[in-house]
Amino acid sequence: GESVGLHLPTLSVQEGDNSIINCAYSNSASDYFIWYKQESGKGPQFIIDIRSNMDKRQGQRVTVLLNKTVKHLSLQIAATQPGDSAVYFCAGQPTGGYQKVTFGIGTKLQVIP
Amino acid sequence: KAGVTQTPRYLIKTRGQQVTLSCSPISGHRSVSWYQQTPGQGLQFLFEYFSETQRNKGNFPGRFSGRQFSNSRSEMNVSTLELGDSALYLCASSLADSQTNTEAFFGQGTRLTVV
Repeated sequence: GESVGLHLPTLSVQEGDNSIINCAYSNSASDYFIWYKQESGKGPQFIIDIRSNMDKRQGQRVTVLLNKTVKHLSLQIAATQPGDSAVYFCAGQPTGGYQKVTFGIGTKLQVIP
Repeated sequence: KAGVTQTPRYLIKTRGQQVTLSCSPISGHRSVSWYQQTPGQGLQFLFEYFSETQRNKGNFPGRFSGRQFSNSRSEMNVSTLELGDSALYLCASSLADSQTNTEAFFGQGTRLTVV
């Protein structure tokens, strides 16, 4: 079956530094990936997405990199701020548009002031 | 534009009871997905409905069921509750038609505690 997992459960970063959160997926059929941010007591919030025909996509302070060869994606957060402290999930979705999204366990990002 | 609304926010039930959770998607969204979130398992897909039809189902027992109404609002039901059903149940809506993968918007979730 499909699984999406994260390499590190917790990441501590100094305020102002860059953060890199990694994610591996197992299903080659996954062709749409999303990064979500979940703050305590809230539902996941969309950060950025990327389709399999791209290897990089940039947003505001965030960049997602996709390496289909090794089935790996990463989320880079520039100039990490205290408000970035949250759990980050990567999610993979197969072709077909159906919302059978598979999430990784999540990485907790702790920003040290 | 209102976001995804889930009710109730918190619920306490005893073992053996059944529970119904409600989700109102973003206006215009026809796809509604349900997820169970626990500390040990993360987010687990339950099922997805599109235009009142269940399109996908995760690996959960038959005690977990759902439905979608003509206005796209969705309910999920869990019968014969077990302690292990305690979790945050999240609903997500999206435009997703049959061919396009699109972003899902999540509600705040319903925190279910089974005692």
